Amino acid sequence: GNSVTQMEGPVTLSEEAFLTINCTYTATGYPSLFWYVQYPGEGLQLLLKATKADDKGSNKGFEATYRKETTSFHLEKGSVQVSDSAVYFCALLNTNAGKSTFGDGTTLTVKP
Amino acid sequence: NAGVTQTPKFQVLKTGQSMTLQCAQDMNHNSMYWYRQDPGMGLRLIYYSASEGTTDKGEVPNGYNVSRLNKREFSLRLESAAPSQTSVYFCASSEAKNRRDYEQYFGPGTRLTVT
Repeated sequence: GNSVTQMEGPVTLSEEAFLTINCTYTATGYPSLFWYVQYPGEGLQLLLKATKADDKGSNKGFEATYRKETTSFHLEKGSVQVSDSAVYFCALLNTNAGKSTFGDGTTLTVKP
Repeated sequence: NAGVTQTPKFQVLKTGQSMTLQCAQDMNHNSMYWYRQDPGMGLRLIYYSASEGTTDKGEVPNGYNVSRLNKREFSLRLESAAPSQTSVYFCASSEAKNRRDYEQYFGPGTRLTVT
């Protein structure tokens, strides 16, 4: 079956620090990959995506590259802000079934 | 354009009580989903509906039923609530841009406590 493993949290960084949140996956077939972000008290919203190998998704200074050879989709940001404090979810889409599998989420706290 | 709306936002039930969680979307999406979110366990799919008139079980369907009332609305029913169903419930909808791109849009969630 499909599964997504995320780096365990919580992660606490100082403002302007470099962020990496690791994500690896196991999938039958050839999935698409997504990062979602959940701010306190809200639902998830799409942060970025990559639908084929070697694609780089990017948004709001965040980036992630679809690495099929290492089955990974690590999230990075060069300089985090306090407003980036949230829970980040890595997800894969089983393109045959149209259903997604989510990781457990990683809580990021950025301190001024 | 409200996106995905859910009611209620909060609910407390006693064991054995029943209730229905409501979800509606105004984006004309074909697919709708119900997830539950528990600490340290990410989101788990309860049921989904690929199109109006169809529903299928997800990863954790036991204790739940769903109804796709029309294209806009997808409700989740707990017939006899149990403490193990204490969770945050999210409804989502999506429309495939192509076979490899199904961005999901989530509602704000319903926090349910069963005592």
